[in-house]
Amino acid sequence: QVQLQESGPGLVKPSETLSLTCSVSGGSVSSFYWSWIRQSAGKGLEWIGRIDTSGSTYYNPSLTSRVTMSVDTSKNQFSLKVGSVTAADTAVYYCARDSGFASGWGQGTLVTVSS
Amino acid sequence: DIQLTQSPSTLSASVGDRVTITCRASQSIVTWLAWYQQKPGKAPELLIYKASSLETGVPSRFSGSGSGTEFTLTISSLQPDDFATYYCQQYNSFSRTFGQGTKVEIK
Repeated sequence: QVQLQESGPGLVKPSETLSLTCSVSGGSVSSFYWSWIRQSAGKGLEWIGRIDTSGSTYYNPSLTSRVTMSVDTSKNQFSLKVGSVTAADTAVYYCARDSGFASGWGQGTLVTVSS
Repeated sequence: DIQLTQSPSTLSASVGDRVTITCRASQSIVTWLAWYQQKPGKAPELLIYKASSLETGVPSRFSGSGSGTEFTLTISSLQPDDFATYYCQQYNSFSRTFGQGTKVEIK
């Protein structure tokens, strides 16, 4: 069974770039599609984007100008970058295996945007 | 972008009750809909995919139905472990969207 673990800074300054990595175990990162999803405190789930096995990416239209996703097959990881962050980007960020639906989730990592 | 609207936003129920949550899509998504359960401080867990397919290991008291633009998640007999927030999610297009969630509370 594929397991996922998010990692990255828990605190990011406004206007800087948020960078997170998701480490994949129990399977190859190049064999599946992957998504990032976030959840602000007390709010619902927001899909950020996904990357497929060819490296093609699809982003939430509301975030597309600031988001980049990539895969590192040598490390069996995939990553998320969100640029020009504001307090509104403060959230728990989840990585997930994308089968259309999220068929496996990481535990989530809290990222706070604050100076 | 496809919008999903869940109702109700909050539901108060007792153990043993039959509970139904509705998810409406802004356009047809055929049966490309999933349901998740989330408990406080935890990642969501997949319950149902393709509108009515039960994920392995999920109790049979959970069921999903619907097609096109209207879908339901039913819990046939609410158990103490089922008090949580439930989300629907569509995957009809390259983009995915979630409903706003339905919190099931103890009556």
